[in-house]
Amino acid sequence: AQKVTQAQTEISVVEKEDVTLDCVYETRDTTYYLFWYKQPPSGELVFLIRRNSFDEQNEISGRYSWNFQKSTSSFNFTITASQVVDSAVYFCALYSTSGTYKYIFGTGTRLKVLA
Amino acid sequence: DAGVTQSPTHLIKTRGQQVTLRCSPKSGHDTVSWYQQALGQGPQFIFQYYEEEERQRGNFPDRFSGHQFPNYSSELNVNALLLGDSALYLCASSLVGLAGLYNEQFFGPGTRLTVL
Repeated sequence: AQKVTQAQTEISVVEKEDVTLDCVYETRDTTYYLFWYKQPPSGELVFLIRRNSFDEQNEISGRYSWNFQKSTSSFNFTITASQVVDSAVYFCALYSTSGTYKYIFGTGTRLKVLA
Repeated sequence: DAGVTQSPTHLIKTRGQQVTLRCSPKSGHDTVSWYQQALGQGPQFIFQYYEEEERQRGNFPDRFSGHQFPNYSSELNVNALLLGDSALYLCASSLVGLAGLYNEQFFGPGTRLTVL
């Protein structure tokens, strides 16, 4: 079965702090894709990153970085020097090529960045 | 360049009624997917349309049906509404339907459905 777990329901940090959002996934497939999306209060999901199962290179984009580790089935997301505008719900998602649920989202982590 | 648009923004229905939600994909996109997001939960995949056909489906009953038009816009229909159908319904579009769901998806703002 495929599953995405975001154990952190809500995180609060003070502006300029670094914060890491955890994502653990389960799949039996060897080919799969992992995503992070941001959902601000407006409700519209914003794509942040896609990573396929064969590419374990970490990625950095500005203040954002992602750490993909197949050995621990984790795809964690770090925001460096957080800003108030980073406040949102962040979802990790898995696309796998088998199973009834083709595209599975975690339950999300609500990040609150306080000024 | 217009993004994904959805209508209506909000909708209130009573149990047993039927509802139709609409989605226009991002310009140039040919694939539309629908998701249901209950309060405090992650989106759940309902189905995906490409070339006017349902290509993939999540674990939703037949009360949920859809349609894609030649201009790639799409409708989501829900019959015999239940209280549990109250949720935010998100539409997402992507390019090159054969690539499936792992292409970058652009989401619309959603339709908030309340069933009383």
